[in-house]
Amino acid sequence: DTGVSQNPRHKITKRGQNVTFRCDPISEHNRLYWYRQTLGQGPEFLTYFQNEAQLEKSRLLSDRFSAERPKGSFSTLEIQRTEQGDSAMYLCASSLDRGNRPQHFGDGTRLSIL
Amino acid sequence: AQSVTQLDSQVPVFEEAPVELRCNYSSSVSVYLFWYVQYPNQGLQLLLKYLSGSTLVESINGFEAEFNKSQTSFHLRKPSVHISDTAEYFCGHSWGKFQFGAGTQVVVTP
Repeated sequence: DTGVSQNPRHKITKRGQNVTFRCDPISEHNRLYWYRQTLGQGPEFLTYFQNEAQLEKSRLLSDRFSAERPKGSFSTLEIQRTEQGDSAMYLCASSLDRGNRPQHFGDGTRLSIL
Repeated sequence: AQSVTQLDSQVPVFEEAPVELRCNYSSSVSVYLFWYVQYPNQGLQLLLKYLSGSTLVESINGFEAEFNKSQTSFHLRKPSVHISDTAEYFCGHSWGKFQFGAGTQVVVTP
Protein backbone atom coordinates (compact mmCIF):
# COMPACT_ATOMS: atom_id res chain seq x y z
CA ASP A 1 0.00 0.00 0.00
CA THR A 2 1.45 3.37 -0.97
CA GLY A 3 -0.94 5.65 0.89
CA VAL A 4 -0.07 8.37 3.37
CA SER A 5 1.72 6.97 6.38
CA GLN A 6 1.86 8.61 9.81
CA ASN A 7 3.95 7.64 12.80
CA PRO A 8 3.42 7.06 15.60
CA ARG A 9 -0.29 6.18 15.65
CA HIS A 10 -0.57 7.09 19.32
CA LYS A 11 1.55 9.25 21.57
CA ILE A 12 1.04 9.74 25.29
CA THR A 13 3.24 12.25 27.01
CA LYS A 14 3.39 14.47 30.05
CA ARG A 15 2.59 18.14 29.88
CA GLY A 16 5.66 20.18 29.08
CA GLN A 17 7.39 17.54 27.00
CA ASN A 18 8.24 17.92 23.33
CA VAL A 19 6.77 15.57 20.73
CA THR A 20 7.48 15.00 17.05
CA PHE A 21 5.27 13.31 14.49
CA ARG A 22 6.23 12.09 11.06
CA CYS A 23 4.25 11.95 7.83
CA ASP A 24 5.25 10.14 4.65
CA PRO A 25 3.06 11.30 1.78
CA ILE A 26 2.20 9.47 -1.42
CA SER A 27 5.45 9.58 -3.33
CA GLU A 28 4.35 11.58 -6.38
CA HIS A 29 2.41 14.15 -4.33
CA ASN A 30 4.21 17.43 -3.91
CA ARG A 31 1.68 19.06 -1.60
CA LEU A 32 1.55 18.04 2.05
CA TYR A 33 -0.91 19.29 4.66
CA TRP A 34 -1.21 19.07 8.43
CA TYR A 35 -4.54 19.23 10.24
CA ARG A 36 -5.66 18.98 13.83
CA GLN A 37 -8.90 17.26 14.75
CA THR A 38 -10.53 17.37 18.16
CA LEU A 39 -13.48 15.29 19.30
CA GLY A 40 -16.69 16.19 17.54
CA GLN A 41 -15.02 18.57 15.11
CA GLY A 42 -13.83 18.47 11.55
CA PRO A 43 -10.14 18.72 10.75
CA GLU A 44 -8.70 22.21 11.19
CA PHE A 45 -6.01 23.32 8.80
CA LEU A 46 -2.61 23.93 10.37
CA THR A 47 -0.12 24.32 7.54
CA TYR A 48 0.85 23.08 4.11
CA PHE A 49 3.92 22.58 1.97
CA GLN A 50 4.51 22.68 -1.73
CA ASN A 51 7.61 20.54 -2.10
CA GLU A 52 9.92 21.79 0.67
CA ALA A 53 8.41 25.26 0.90
CA GLN A 54 5.96 25.98 3.70
CA LEU A 55 3.43 28.16 1.94
CA GLU A 56 0.79 28.82 4.55
CA LYS A 57 0.40 28.59 8.31
CA SER A 58 -2.84 28.89 10.25
CA ARG A 59 -3.13 31.16 13.24
CA LEU A 60 -3.80 27.92 15.14
CA LEU A 61 -0.13 27.12 14.69
CA SER A 62 1.36 28.83 17.73
CA ASP A 63 5.07 29.39 18.12
CA ARG A 64 5.31 26.09 20.01
CA PHE A 65 4.48 24.28 16.76
CA SER A 66 6.92 23.84 13.92
CA ALA A 67 6.67 21.82 10.75
CA GLU A 68 9.36 20.92 8.28
CA ARG A 69 9.65 19.13 5.00
CA PRO A 70 13.39 19.35 4.38
CA LYS A 71 13.69 17.39 1.15
CA GLY A 72 10.20 17.78 -0.17
CA SER A 73 9.29 14.22 0.78
CA PHE A 74 8.41 13.32 4.38
CA SER A 75 7.40 15.97 6.89
CA THR A 76 7.66 16.35 10.66
CA LEU A 77 5.44 18.27 13.03
CA GLU A 78 6.98 19.16 16.37
CA ILE A 79 5.15 20.51 19.39
CA GLN A 80 7.30 22.00 22.12
CA ARG A 81 6.28 22.35 25.77
CA THR A 82 3.04 20.47 25.21
CA GLU A 83 -0.13 21.66 26.94
CA GLN A 84 -3.37 19.88 27.79
CA GLY A 85 -5.09 21.65 24.92
CA ASP A 86 -2.74 20.04 22.43
CA SER A 87 -4.49 16.70 22.93
CA ALA A 88 -6.00 15.89 19.54
CA MET A 89 -5.67 13.78 16.45
CA TYR A 90 -3.06 15.19 14.06
CA LEU A 91 -3.78 14.33 10.46
CA CYS A 92 -1.49 14.55 7.49
CA ALA A 93 -2.70 14.66 3.89
CA SER A 94 -1.05 14.92 0.51
CA SER A 95 -2.13 15.82 -2.99
CA LEU A 96 -0.90 16.74 -6.42
CA ASP A 97 -0.58 20.45 -7.05
CA ARG A 98 -2.67 20.68 -10.20
CA GLY A 99 -5.76 22.68 -9.37
CA ASN A 100 -8.09 21.50 -6.63
CA ARG A 101 -6.91 17.92 -6.44
CA PRO A 102 -8.38 15.68 -3.71
CA GLN A 103 -6.34 15.22 -0.59
CA HIS A 104 -5.39 11.74 0.59
CA PHE A 105 -5.25 11.38 4.35
CA GLY A 106 -3.17 9.25 6.66
CA ASP A 107 -4.70 7.53 9.69
CA GLY A 108 -3.42 10.23 12.00
CA THR A 109 -1.42 10.44 15.20
CA ARG A 110 -3.50 10.64 18.35
CA LEU A 111 -1.76 12.76 20.99
CA SER A 112 -2.78 12.51 24.64
CA ILE A 113 -1.28 14.90 27.17
CA LEU A 114 -1.30 13.69 30.77
CA ALA B 1 -15.35 34.56 5.54
CA GLN B 2 -15.99 31.26 3.80
CA SER B 3 -17.46 28.51 5.95
CA VAL B 4 -19.13 25.14 5.75
CA THR B 5 -22.10 24.18 7.87
CA GLN B 6 -23.27 20.67 8.49
CA LEU B 7 -26.72 20.99 9.91
CA ASP B 8 -26.91 17.69 11.79
CA SER B 9 -24.32 16.50 14.27
CA GLN B 10 -25.78 13.00 14.42
CA VAL B 11 -28.18 11.07 12.21
CA PRO B 12 -29.54 7.74 13.45
CA VAL B 13 -30.95 5.57 10.69
CA PHE B 14 -32.20 2.02 10.31
CA GLU B 15 -30.50 -0.40 7.96
CA GLU B 16 -31.89 -0.26 4.40
CA ALA B 17 -33.53 3.11 5.08
CA PRO B 18 -32.56 6.25 3.13
CA VAL B 19 -30.33 8.92 4.64
CA GLU B 20 -29.62 12.56 3.82
CA LEU B 21 -26.79 14.57 5.31
CA ARG B 22 -27.14 18.29 4.91
CA CYS B 23 -24.33 20.65 4.02
CA ASN B 24 -24.40 24.35 3.24
CA TYR B 25 -21.48 26.49 2.23
CA SER B 26 -21.06 30.21 2.06
CA SER B 27 -19.14 31.51 -0.87
CA SER B 28 -19.67 33.90 -3.70
CA VAL B 29 -17.17 32.28 -6.01
CA SER B 30 -16.85 28.94 -7.76
CA VAL B 31 -15.92 26.24 -5.35
CA TYR B 32 -14.63 22.74 -5.17
CA LEU B 33 -16.97 20.78 -2.89
CA PHE B 34 -16.40 17.37 -1.43
CA TRP B 35 -17.55 14.77 1.07
CA TYR B 36 -15.14 12.68 3.09
CA VAL B 37 -15.95 9.70 5.33
CA GLN B 38 -14.04 8.81 8.48
CA TYR B 39 -14.31 5.38 10.08
CA PRO B 40 -13.27 4.98 13.74
CA ASN B 41 -9.54 5.45 14.34
CA GLN B 42 -8.86 6.10 10.70
CA GLY B 43 -8.10 9.08 8.50
CA LEU B 44 -10.52 10.64 6.08
CA GLN B 45 -11.37 8.98 2.77
CA LEU B 46 -12.71 10.92 -0.18
CA LEU B 47 -16.30 9.91 -0.92
CA LEU B 48 -17.10 12.24 -3.83
CA LYS B 49 -16.32 15.68 -5.16
CA TYR B 50 -17.77 18.43 -7.32
CA LEU B 51 -15.82 20.98 -9.29
CA SER B 52 -17.95 21.64 -12.34
CA GLY B 53 -20.22 19.92 -14.80
CA SER B 54 -23.17 17.78 -13.79
CA THR B 55 -24.59 18.94 -10.47
CA LEU B 56 -25.27 15.36 -9.39
CA VAL B 57 -22.17 13.40 -8.44
CA GLU B 58 -22.04 9.79 -7.40
CA SER B 59 -19.65 7.60 -5.48
CA ILE B 60 -18.92 3.94 -6.08
CA ASN B 61 -20.69 2.80 -2.90
CA GLY B 62 -24.14 4.21 -3.59
CA PHE B 63 -23.82 7.74 -2.18
CA GLU B 64 -24.67 10.76 -4.27
CA ALA B 65 -24.56 14.49 -3.69
CA GLU B 66 -26.24 17.33 -5.52
CA PHE B 67 -24.69 20.75 -5.94
CA ASN B 68 -27.32 23.47 -5.65
CA LYS B 69 -25.85 26.89 -6.32
CA SER B 70 -29.00 28.87 -5.54
CA GLN B 71 -29.30 27.24 -2.13
CA THR B 72 -25.52 26.98 -1.63
CA SER B 73 -25.98 23.36 -0.62
CA PHE B 74 -24.24 20.08 -1.32
CA HIS B 75 -26.36 17.49 0.49
CA LEU B 76 -25.30 13.85 0.57
CA ARG B 77 -27.82 11.06 0.11
CA LYS B 78 -27.98 7.31 0.00
CA PRO B 79 -31.24 5.50 -0.81
CA SER B 80 -30.50 2.44 1.33
CA VAL B 81 -27.82 2.32 4.03
CA HIS B 82 -25.84 -0.62 5.35
CA ILE B 83 -24.46 -1.22 8.82
CA SER B 84 -21.02 -0.60 7.34
CA ASP B 85 -22.01 2.99 6.52
CA THR B 86 -21.76 3.83 10.22
CA ALA B 87 -19.09 6.53 10.26
CA GLU B 88 -18.55 10.26 10.46
CA TYR B 89 -19.08 12.25 7.30
CA PHE B 90 -17.44 15.59 6.58
CA CYS B 91 -18.53 18.11 4.02
CA GLY B 92 -16.02 20.66 2.89
CA HIS B 93 -14.93 23.06 0.25
CA SER B 94 -11.74 24.37 -1.20
CA TRP B 95 -10.97 27.83 -2.38
CA GLY B 96 -7.22 27.96 -1.96
CA LYS B 97 -7.28 25.65 1.03
CA PHE B 98 -9.61 22.99 2.32
CA GLN B 99 -12.18 23.85 4.96
CA PHE B 100 -14.25 21.14 6.66
CA GLY B 101 -17.59 21.18 8.41
CA ALA B 102 -17.93 19.87 11.96
CA GLY B 103 -19.07 16.47 10.74
CA THR B 104 -22.22 14.34 10.91
CA GLN B 105 -22.12 11.05 12.77
CA VAL B 106 -24.23 8.43 11.01
CA VAL B 107 -25.28 5.49 13.16
CA VAL B 108 -26.94 2.65 11.28
CA THR B 109 -28.86 0.13 13.37
CA PRO B 110 -30.50 -3.15 12.33
